[in-house]
Amino acid sequence: AQTVTQSQPEMSVQEAETVTLSCTYDTSENNYYLFWYKQPPSRQMILVIRQEAYKQQNATENRFSVNFQKAAKSFSLKISDSQLGDTAMYFCAFMNPSNDMRFGAGTRLTVKP
Amino acid sequence: DSGVTQTPKHLITATGQRVTLRCSPRSGDLSVYWYQQSLDQGLQFLIQYYNGEERAKGNILERFSAQQFPDLHSELNLSSLELGDSALYFCASSHPRTGNSEGNQPQHFGDGTRLSIL
Repeated sequence: AQTVTQSQPEMSVQEAETVTLSCTYDTSENNYYLFWYKQPPSRQMILVIRQEAYKQQNATENRFSVNFQKAAKSFSLKISDSQLGDTAMYFCAFMNPSNDMRFGAGTRLTVKP
Repeated sequence: DSGVTQTPKHLITATGQRVTLRCSPRSGDLSVYWYQQSLDQGLQFLIQYYNGEERAKGNILERFSAQQFPDLHSELNLSSLELGDSALYFCASSHPRTGNSEGNQPQHFGDGTRLSIL
């Protein structure tokens, strides 16, 4: 069974600084998909970024980028130039080719002014 | 706005009761997923439907069932409710009709239904 581990329950960062959220996963699959979702206090689930395991190039979306290390089964999220609106729970998610998606327990990020 | 609509937004009921949660996917999306998020927890995948057929099953209790109708909306039925069933239930959709059915489609979430069992 696939598992997703986020080892940082809580993190904080100063506005305009950079922060990295960690995620590791366990799978025997070779083809799979990885996602980061953001859940602000409104409790909406918002897709931040996604990565296909067969792609070596790390995905980027504006201030958000990932460091995907397939051999290490690591998928960290880097947020550059942090903004107050980035304060949220961040969930790492793994999806296998059968569309079974597993989420990590989340990291609560607080951006401080 | 994700385009995914969930009703009701809030539901309060008692133990032993049965409730139905409803989800309308984004226009054109063929897949519907259901998740359970207990307080301060991550999301637990319950079940996925694709174009009316069950496609994947996660940690869904036998007391829970779901279906997807021909118009692609979905319902999650929760019966014999227990206090531990109190949670936020999310629906997500993906796989636009014009796209492919492979697993690289991101999921778009509704705002959730908050279920409180008294």
